[in-house]
Amino acid sequence: QSALTQPASVSGSPGQSVAISCTGSSTDVGTYNFVSWYQQCPGQAPKLIIHDVSERPSGVSDRFSGSKSGNTASLTISGLQVEDEADYYCSSYAGSSTLIFGGGTKLTVL
Amino acid sequence: EVQLVESGGGSIQPGGSLRLSCAASGFPFSGYWMHWVRQGPGKGLMWVSVINHDGSHTSYADSVKGRFTFSKDNARNMMYLQMNSLRVEDTAVYYCARAGSDWKIDAWGQGILVTVSS
Repeated sequence: QSALTQPASVSGSPGQSVAISCTGSSTDVGTYNFVSWYQQCPGQAPKLIIHDVSERPSGVSDRFSGSKSGNTASLTISGLQVEDEADYYCSSYAGSSTLIFGGGTKLTVL
Repeated sequence: EVQLVESGGGSIQPGGSLRLSCAASGFPFSGYWMHWVRQGPGKGLMWVSVINHDGSHTSYADSVKGRFTFSKDNARNMMYLQMNSLRVEDTAVYYCARAGSDWKIDAWGQGILVTVSS
């Protein structure tokens, strides 16, 4: 049950796009389309922003999008805004009723 | 409005036991799977355990298996995490969370701090 691999940090300027990768294995990301992404602002609980690889919950900005290729999922945030600065986590179903999270990525909006 | 409220956290010595509770409201609790997720100080999220809608099936992360027990009381809209043989590395904010379909977590509590220290 090793964590999914995410970059520790990414950064971008307002208006730019950034992508955050989430690399797993053939036993999790590579097999199941149950990949979700969460945004966690300082001192707050996480918030679901993408599920089922690329689906956005109601109320989440369409600037957030998700994709997957092989064992790697990606979250893209377009038109960066200052309020997007937060920690982002991916998760994947890993079989046998278990869930696994990524190590998290800190997004800085310069 | 979906609400999840944790309680029961605090400081405990290594080897001790603690029971976390989570009160759910605003949705049909008996129909949902539920999770516990934790976050160590300055660290990332770690999935701890899941329970099915009627409490008949549970699954645990390897690091807590055999020490933690997840239970669900649908009559009271409550869920519990019994934590035994606590270790320093169990120190974390513990979140109760609702499982949506396809293994997404679509609602979170505010979290409760558990500190294991001598």
